[in-house]
Amino acid sequence: AQSVSQHNHHVILSEAASLELGCNYSYGGTVNLFWYVQYPGQHLQLLLKYFSGDPLVKGIKGFEAEFIKSKFSFNLRKPSVQWSDTAEYFCAVRRGSSNTGKLIFGQGTTLQVKP
Amino acid sequence: GAVVSQHPSRVICKSGTSVKIECRSLDFQATTMFWYRQFPKQSLMLMATSNEGSKATYEQGVEKDKFLINHASLTLSTLTVTSAHPEDSSFYICSPGGPGPNTEAFFGQGTRLTVV
Repeated sequence: AQSVSQHNHHVILSEAASLELGCNYSYGGTVNLFWYVQYPGQHLQLLLKYFSGDPLVKGIKGFEAEFIKSKFSFNLRKPSVQWSDTAEYFCAVRRGSSNTGKLIFGQGTTLQVKP
Repeated sequence: GAVVSQHPSRVICKSGTSVKIECRSLDFQATTMFWYRQFPKQSLMLMATSNEGSKATYEQGVEKDKFLINHASLTLSTLTVTSAHPEDSSFYICSPGGPGPNTEAFFGQGTRLTVV
């Protein structure tokens, strides 16, 4: 069965530290890839997405992610985190590019940034 | 981005009663609607996929008679939790299939259901 795996379940960083959250998926065909953020008490917000083209994608709030097809990975990065980045982060994969394809979510990573 | 309206945002109900959650796609026609459930400190799990004018497809382990899904129009899908129990308490989120291929998924605001 298709799966999405986020390796880091709980990450604690100090402000200004660099961040990298891992995401791997198990489907070998065409995929759409997403990172979503969920701030405490709020609903999901899209950070960035990859459909095709340049494998390095830039999102909002200084986040970026790199699609490495050979590794089935889509890791999220930010060079310098802020306290306000404290949230839950979800990687999601959609098989193919159809708008009727369901998203499979990773387990989520809780990021805690200490001021 | 697309506007998805989900109501109610919070609901508290007694055990044994039913609760209906509405999800509307306000600016595009959604032939497909995904319903997710998120337990505290956990990820989103797909419950079912509804298609306008046909029966919903349920994921393994999700009781179709308990979670009734209706997708009667291209802009409205409903999820009814029947005979609710405390273990059904969760955060329910809808997501219409996007307006075209290679589009991001849009999500409703979610419904926090508490069964007492």
